Amino acid sequence: DAMVIQNPRYQVTQFGKPVTLSCSQTLNHNVMYWYQQKSSQAPKLLFHYYDKDFNNEADTPDNFQSRRPNTSFCFLDIRSPGLGDAAMYLCATSRDRDNYNEQFFGPGTRLTVL
Amino acid sequence: KQEVTQIPAALSVPEGENLVLNCSFTDSAIYNLQWFRQDPGKGLTSLLLIQSSQREQTSGRLNASLDKSSGRSTLYIAASQPGDSATYLCAVRGISGGYNKLIFGAGTRLAVHP
Repeated sequence: DAMVIQNPRYQVTQFGKPVTLSCSQTLNHNVMYWYQQKSSQAPKLLFHYYDKDFNNEADTPDNFQSRRPNTSFCFLDIRSPGLGDAAMYLCATSRDRDNYNEQFFGPGTRLTVL
Repeated sequence: KQEVTQIPAALSVPEGENLVLNCSFTDSAIYNLQWFRQDPGKGLTSLLLIQSSQREQTSGRLNASLDKSSGRSTLYIAASQPGDSATYLCAVRGISGGYNKLIFGAGTRLAVHP
């Protein structure tokens, strides 16, 4: 089945220790998104890739970076995680970026910062 | 700036009851609205997508309506079951920051008890 896969499902890191979260998709979609969702809050878009074009949200901290080496994979790098970065990180894809495209979400990675 | 609000934040109902979840948004210039389900600690599952030109969408026991001019959507769940217990999020797709993206509400946490 075509899908969005996130690894790992649970990640524990230490304060200040760099961490990378992974997302892959078999949908061959052009757009990949990363969202941060803190407990009982709305998911918040961090950035997205439209093909190889990186689009950062204005209020995304510099501590968060992303890489998309090919169509199928996208990575979220947190350079120096703080306690406030503990959250669920959701990856999503859409076929394109025009008005009517539906987004498909992966199962998420829950990040704990000790 | 688009803001999405969901009321109530939490709801507890007995099994078999019909119920309505509410979503409101401040900017009526949207392309579509999507309802998602999120089980505890899990990712988002898309339930229904309503394009801006549509008034409602149905899937099984779920019916979602959209009144774009008044900035409101409702998700109707018929004959609720304990398996419906989850958080339900709505998200609108509109132009923000130069391209279109999803803006989420914080969700309604539903508990259906036997």
